[in-house]
Amino acid sequence: GESVGLHLPTLSVQEGDNSIINCAYSNSASDYFIWYKQESGKGPQFIIDIRSNMDKRQGQRVTVLLNKTVKHLSLQIAATQPGDSAVYFCAENTARQLTFGSGTQLTVLP
Amino acid sequence: GAGVSQSPSNKVTEKGKDVELRCDPISGHTALYWYRQSLGQGLEFLIYFQGNSAPDKSGLPSDRFSAERTGGSVSTLTIQRTQQEDSAVYLCASSSTYNRRADTQYFGPGTRLTVL
Repeated sequence: GESVGLHLPTLSVQEGDNSIINCAYSNSASDYFIWYKQESGKGPQFIIDIRSNMDKRQGQRVTVLLNKTVKHLSLQIAATQPGDSAVYFCAENTARQLTFGSGTQLTVLP
Repeated sequence: GAGVSQSPSNKVTEKGKDVELRCDPISGHTALYWYRQSLGQGLEFLIYFQGNSAPDKSGLPSDRFSAERTGGSVSTLTIQRTQQEDSAVYLCASSSTYNRRADTQYFGPGTRLTVL
């Protein structure tokens, strides 16, 4: 079946460095993708989204890249801060619902 | 304004008991979703409401699970005869409309259910 998955379950980066979180998807019909951030004990928070007619979208300190050729999505966080420590999920919009990957735990080291 | 709220925040119950989980969506949001998140896992879709109707119940894992929404607002997820495998965080989300492009879903803090 179709699924959304993440390459790495954990990622540790030094404070101030850039972070890159990756996501692979397999449903070529998906046309909309979202990145969510989930801090401990909280629900997921929307970070940024991208539609399939785009390759790149930038937000505040975050950039999402979409490579439809290899069905790959990435989230780049610039100048990572301690407050960025969380689990990051990519979600794929298909069949009128969001399908979430298992998440990547980002840990920011002092 | 107020976000999505859920109650209780934590629920511990004994195997075989029934539980009710409540979700108050953002005022005016017509679409409401329930998800389940097991420890260290992603979000598992359970059910979606548009207004008071539930056009998509495909994610409900068994007939022990049911949900209703009244007045186009508050929703209750009921789990009957709870089992230990029901232990998880149950998340509710709402959005202003529902279409394939999916308006942003705003999540509540979740209810952590523990079945002993």
